[in-house]
Amino acid sequence: ETGVTQSPTHLIKTRGQQVTLRCSSQSGHNTVSWYQQALGQGPQFIFQYYREEENGRGNFPPRFSGLQFPNYSSELNVNALELDDSALYLCASSWGGEQYFGPGTRLTVT
Amino acid sequence: LAKTTQPISMDSYEGQEVNITCSHNNIATNDYITWYQQFPSQGPRFIIQGYKTKVTNEVASLFIPADRKSSTLSLPRVSLSDTAVYYCLVGDQDNYGQNFVFGPGTRLSVLP
Repeated sequence: ETGVTQSPTHLIKTRGQQVTLRCSSQSGHNTVSWYQQALGQGPQFIFQYYREEENGRGNFPPRFSGLQFPNYSSELNVNALELDDSALYLCASSWGGEQYFGPGTRLTVT
Repeated sequence: LAKTTQPISMDSYEGQEVNITCSHNNIATNDYITWYQQFPSQGPRFIIQGYKTKVTNEVASLFIPADRKSSTLSLPRVSLSDTAVYYCLVGDQDNYGQNFVFGPGTRLSVLP
């Protein structure tokens, strides 16, 4: 176990709705990154937060947004859900080095 | 932006050494190379990380040549429980901040 937790475990939403996913980082880690992993593919980097500021972003549209809180936990928000947003969403925490991943949230958009 | 490639799949037998290579031709000077193992419906699990030459820990070795355009994960004496997908990850700092690129993954099947 890495100490990184994510909630909820599974989620089903309808196209056009909005969703918020949550991540608690490992104790002592001040950086959180979010990834999207479609079935059968490698994770795709969405963005990273360091000390509550966005520190890098992958090729995802603005309807993917995030927050990091003073305790370094984080949220991923996705607006106007599309069918292609169905995926496993992973968060990873780090302290300047290797990233440690949570178990993921499985999002299904119908 | 770094682009990574890996073999799609590999087969091995229990007790053998397995070497998985990742190509990352556009790796940036400050990027580290990290390898992860992933089982179905779980998050990736950290295996090893390196910058150059050779790194060894209790589960694997990582070989990185001088030009750093590739890296090889070496798993000694694999067992059935090593059947999983293995990913290389390259950290890439571009003009827009930190970025990370995962390889497509190598599905390793260990046979008895």
